[in-house]
Amino acid sequence: QVQLQESGPGLVKPSETLSLTCTVSGGSISNYYWSWIRQPPGKGPEWIGYIQYSGNTKSNPSLESRVTISIDTSKSQFSLQLSSVTAADTAIYYCARRFDGGGWFFDLWGRGTLVTVSS
Amino acid sequence: EIVMTQSPATLSVSPGERATLSCRASQSVSNNLAWYQQKPGQAPRLLIYAASIRTTGTPARFSGSGSGTEFTLTISSLQSEDFAVYYCQQNNNWPLLTFGGGTKVEIK
Repeated sequence: QVQLQESGPGLVKPSETLSLTCTVSGGSISNYYWSWIRQPPGKGPEWIGYIQYSGNTKSNPSLESRVTISIDTSKSQFSLQLSSVTAADTAIYYCARRFDGGGWFFDLWGRGTLVTVSS
Repeated sequence: EIVMTQSPATLSVSPGERATLSCRASQSVSNNLAWYQQKPGQAPRLLIYAASIRTTGTPARFSGSGSGTEFTLTISSLQSEDFAVYYCQQNNNWPLLTFGGGTKVEIK
């Protein structure tokens, strides 16, 4: 059974770069699209971007100037970097897999990790 | 950006009763809409995609309908495990995928 696990610092200072990694276990990282999604406390989710096993990426236009997503297929991991963070970037960050039944929906999610931006 | 508006924000329902949740898009998304269920401390779970197709494992008491700008998620007879927050998400305006603000279904 495929599982996703986010890891990374829970506290980031304003203006610094947030860095998170998602580890895919129990299955192959190939042949899927992998996304980062965040959810501010008490609000709806926000899609950040995706990466394909081939390395192709696309980000939410509202964030793309600050987002870098990379993949390491040898480690079954993909990563997110979000630069120049502010308090508005405080959220639970999830990694997720695109549903392969059609459309850009997400059928497998990690447990999420809370990242707080504060000095 | 397509704004997804969900109503009501909170729905109080007794177990066994029917719950009807609404999701409205600021412009047409055709049938490119999904519903998710989120319980406290958990990630969202995909229930329905393409507006009306249940994913494997989604109970038949959940049904989705609508197209264009108006969508409905109906839970025919609420069970204890159905009390949660529900989100809609559109993918018609790629790459600007957007979610609604959620409807909390609570015990009356």
